[in-house]
Amino acid sequence: GENVEQHPSTLSVQEGDSAVIKCTYSDSASNYFPWYKQELGKRPQLIIDIRSNVGEKKDQRIAVTLNKTAKHFSLHITETQPEDSAVYFCAASTGNEKLTFGTGTRLTIIP
Amino acid sequence: SQTIHQWPATLVQPVGSPLSLECTVEGTSNPNLYWYRQAAGRGLQLLFYSVGIGQISSEVPQNLSASRPQDRQFILSSKKLLLSDSGFYLCAWGTTTNEKLFFGSGTQLSVL
Repeated sequence: GENVEQHPSTLSVQEGDSAVIKCTYSDSASNYFPWYKQELGKRPQLIIDIRSNVGEKKDQRIAVTLNKTAKHFSLHITETQPEDSAVYFCAASTGNEKLTFGTGTRLTIIP
Repeated sequence: SQTIHQWPATLVQPVGSPLSLECTVEGTSNPNLYWYRQAAGRGLQLLFYSVGIGQISSEVPQNLSASRPQDRQFILSSKKLLLSDSGFYLCAWGTTTNEKLFFGSGTQLSVL
């Protein structure tokens, strides 16, 4: 089955700096890659996603890049703000109705 | 619009007691339904998913079970809870044509 690895497990950045979280996947048939943000004690919420026919997608301060050849994708957050502090999960799917999640990255923004 | 309801929000149960967590979805028909578990500080582990009434796929062998008695109702059960069943349980829904998942608010289960 699919295996998704996520790094780093924790990340601290100064407010205003950029944060990058990386994920690799094992199944070359995976074609959908979402990112979820989970604040403490809350539900995970979809913040951005990308499909395999696209190399990069942006939504304001958030962007995701995908390298299908290398089987990795990354989340980029620019101009970080305190409210960006949360746990971020990447995931991958082959379209078989199941998402395989990474282990999460705890992002802390230092004021 | 679609909404997902999950209850209870918190639950404290003794070891060996039964469990029943319920999840319902509104505003959509024939959703795919999922149960995930999240141990403290850990990732999301898929426990069960269902693509239709009475259709349950189990991802992890354990003392938990799931049922889907109605199209938009998904229930997670156990006959006898173990300490290792403690965690944050999340219900989610999605569609076959769109892999996006939408999560319920979660149940924090503590088995003592």
